[in-house]
Amino acid sequence: EAQVTQNPRYLITVTGKKLTVTCSQNMNHEYMSWYRQDPGLGLRQIYYSMNVEVTDKGDVPEGYKVSRKEKRNFPLILESPSPNQTSLYFCASSLKRGREETQYFGPGTRLLVL
Amino acid sequence: KQEVTQIPAALSVPEGENLVLNCSFTDSAIYNLQWFRQDPGKGLTSLLLIQSSQREQTSGRLNASLDKSSGRSTLYIAASQPGDSATYLCAVKPQGAQKLVFGQGTRLTINP
Repeated sequence: EAQVTQNPRYLITVTGKKLTVTCSQNMNHEYMSWYRQDPGLGLRQIYYSMNVEVTDKGDVPEGYKVSRKEKRNFPLILESPSPNQTSLYFCASSLKRGREETQYFGPGTRLLVL
Repeated sequence: KQEVTQIPAALSVPEGENLVLNCSFTDSAIYNLQWFRQDPGKGLTSLLLIQSSQREQTSGRLNASLDKSSGRSTLYIAASQPGDSATYLCAVKPQGAQKLVFGQGTRLTINP
């Protein structure tokens, strides 16, 4: 089954404790990205990747890192989480970098930073 | 800066009614527009994708239209069912950008 998977789905952590949220897709997609969803602010892009070893900042990259060592995986790293990073996180992927693509989203990771 | 607005924020209708959800965007320079469905605690499910050169797309009971020049899109749901209850999100892909810009969504409730 074609899908985008994220782990963990739920995470409670404390300020400053490094964490990684994994994202994997099995559709051989070139493009992957991370979004966060917050009440009243909607979904905002954090980082994106056009292909292996090619990443760039989105609208809200502060406090996050990403890597794209393999085509299928695009982990999101919070090296020193803070309470303002409490949010619902989504990973997305699509086949082409051009205009004619549908973006597929993972199930989301709900993060609480205490 | 592209902005996407969805009105109303919430809508409640009886089962069986036809309904229209609205989406507007400020900049007509887009590659495409996509409608998603989000169930509580779940991810986003893509419903329809309309390319900038297209006027509408249909899938089952859903029909989405796009008027790029006026910056508007509508999602028409025919013969609504309780299972259609969810939040519906509209997103545009601006030209030259590698991201989607989302509206805040319309929370739809279909009453049996």
